Order: sequence, then C-alpha cells, then structure tokens
Amino acid sequence: QKEVEQNSGPLSVPEGAIASLNCTYSDRGSQSFFWYRQYSGKSPELIMFIYSNGDKEDGRFTAQLNKASQYVSLLIRDSQPSDSATYLCAVRGGTDKLIFGTGTRLQVFP
Amino acid sequence: DAGVTQSPTHLIKTRGQQVTLRCSPKSGHDTVSWYQQALGQGPQFIFQYYEEEERQRGNFPDRFSGHQFPNYSSELNVNALLLGDSALYLCASSLGQGSMGYNEQFFGPGTRLTVL
Repeated sequence: QKEVEQNSGPLSVPEGAIASLNCTYSDRGSQSFFWYRQYSGKSPELIMFIYSNGDKEDGRFTAQLNKASQYVSLLIRDSQPSDSATYLCAVRGGTDKLIFGTGTRLQVFP
Repeated sequence: DAGVTQSPTHLIKTRGQQVTLRCSPKSGHDTVSWYQQALGQGPQFIFQYYEEEERQRGNFPDRFSGHQFPNYSSELNVNALLLGDSALYLCASSLGQGSMGYNEQFFGPGTRLTVL
C-alpha cells in the first residue's frame, strides 16, 4: 500500500463547475496535509495546508480533512481553464519530510 | 522578497559523471529539503538540511550527498550518475524546528537533469 494515494485522473470538469480532488494516507500519525498545484514543466506551488479535522476555505479552494478516515480532499469552486494542472497531495508526519502522492491531473474545459 | 532559487535550470550529463546542483532558500528560511521528481510521479524526499547538518534522509543511496552553508544555501551532489537519475530535482525551503507554523515548504523552479 502506498503511503499517499491519489487517483491519477485525468479529472475533466466544465468551466464553472466544482472540481473535487481526493487523497488517502496510510500513516495515522500524520500531522499536517498540503495541496500543491503543478503546471506542466513547472515546480509545485503551495495552494493550501490543513492540520485539523473539518474544512478550511481560501477563496475558491476548500480543503477538507477527516483523520478518522485518513482522507483529505480539495474542492475547487467555479473552476477555470487556468486551474488545469496536476494537483499533488502531501502529508507530513512527526518530521518535516513531505510524502507526496503521484498527483491528479485536472482538466477544465470551456 | 526573493523566492527559492535553483541553478542550473537544465543539465545534461553522461553516465558515471558527477553533478552539483545549487539552491538558495526563500528569505528568512533556514531549512532546505531536496526532492527528486521523475516524470509522471510525485516528488520523492532525498534529504533535509538544517543548521548545516543533514537532519533526515529518504531512501536514496550514498551517491546522493549534500551540504548546507552558513547562509542557508545548499548543494546536492550526485556521483556515478545512472540513467535512472534523470529527473527534475527540486529544492524546498522552510522554517526549521522551534518556528511557529506548520513548516510549509516552498519549492524552487527545479533543475532538470538528463543523464545520457
């Protein structure tokens, strides 16, 4: 079992829709969770982080964390073609090491 | 405020050669982590430097080594290059132990290494 799992996609949504990206992790001791966006050929860009159960909202983005189910998600409201990218879920345990999933490719079509 | 910088942008080497990659952290950050990202994969943790020492290491062979300087900049060295070392090498900076926050890591633009 991989430590951090994501569906590789692609996830295709129409412009203006809500995109829902999911991630599961295996280490129950994980403490904080990060979502990065990576455009093709570029480096990952931090979008949000979350560390307590529930929802955290920032603009069009909402991160959701359920530690009991070892599940973290990212919702993107009013999706735009510029949101088309690979979204990486990363998990941090007791150390500063980030463990990444393989990423979900999101395609937003006009 | 300068972000994380890396050099060079691209590098082509042949098998058996050695390579050195460089990273300058974001202003105010004191911790540097290195990651390897193969095509179609997520970044894989190589090691992390804090206070000029390697604080933790991922599952990479000893061919991968590093260094951190007093100004917090860092180098990644890879010896005896293999074809499988071809990847995007990412440097991420953060605030180290004892800092407030959740140690968000910010990535540089990366160095694309091709081994022929």
